[in-house]
Amino acid sequence: NAGVTQTPKFQVLKTGQSMTLQCAQDMNHEYMSWYRQDPGMGLRLIHYSVGAGITDQGEVPNGYNVSRSTTEDFPLRLLSAAPSQTSVYFCASSPRQGNNEQFFGPGTRLTVL
Amino acid sequence: GQSLEQPSEVTAVEGAIVQINCTYQTSGFYGLSWYQQHDGGAPTFLSYNALDGLEETGRFSSFLSRSDSYGYLLLQELQMKDSASYFCAVNSPGVYNTDKLIFGTGTRLQVFP
Repeated sequence: NAGVTQTPKFQVLKTGQSMTLQCAQDMNHEYMSWYRQDPGMGLRLIHYSVGAGITDQGEVPNGYNVSRSTTEDFPLRLLSAAPSQTSVYFCASSPRQGNNEQFFGPGTRLTVL
Repeated sequence: GQSLEQPSEVTAVEGAIVQINCTYQTSGFYGLSWYQQHDGGAPTFLSYNALDGLEETGRFSSFLSRSDSYGYLLLQELQMKDSASYFCAVNSPGVYNTDKLIFGTGTRLQVFP
């Protein structure tokens, strides 16, 4: 099992550009989520999904869109990048509801100029 | 609103015992999780407490008091490799009777020889 994979590892965008951060898991987990982590800070929940076709907002959803068409994939779309979105983005998955343990991907380091 | 408080930094020497406290205020509570993150790495799961009391996993133990909205992570026989950031996270109600993780800002532990 590859676990949770994220692409790209690094990305530089200009203000106003759009892009999609990819996240995939091969563990057949129902629950997937996206977090951002700013320097010296904790992780803040952006969006999460409890299964294909079901998503909900987290703490900081503005400027981001998600969809979940398959169990394996949970892409995060930045609609119009802003410097405030410079951060490290982590995707995580969990095997069931009541997720006691989340498995994190390696992260995507995004810089918006 | 939801908030979690942890000390920003803790230092200790090899072989010692250290306790990292976490107090929380959340609208809804299922349990308290702890994650470890080394510099440049992804968070990894350490423990989860849904009920009051102490959970032990090797050198690490985690405690929860729901009535006090308080928990702690206890690390014994500290090793240099334990130098990392430690995050408490509340499992709080999400959509469709699932839960979502809300993280604290983290405690940076430095272990000295």
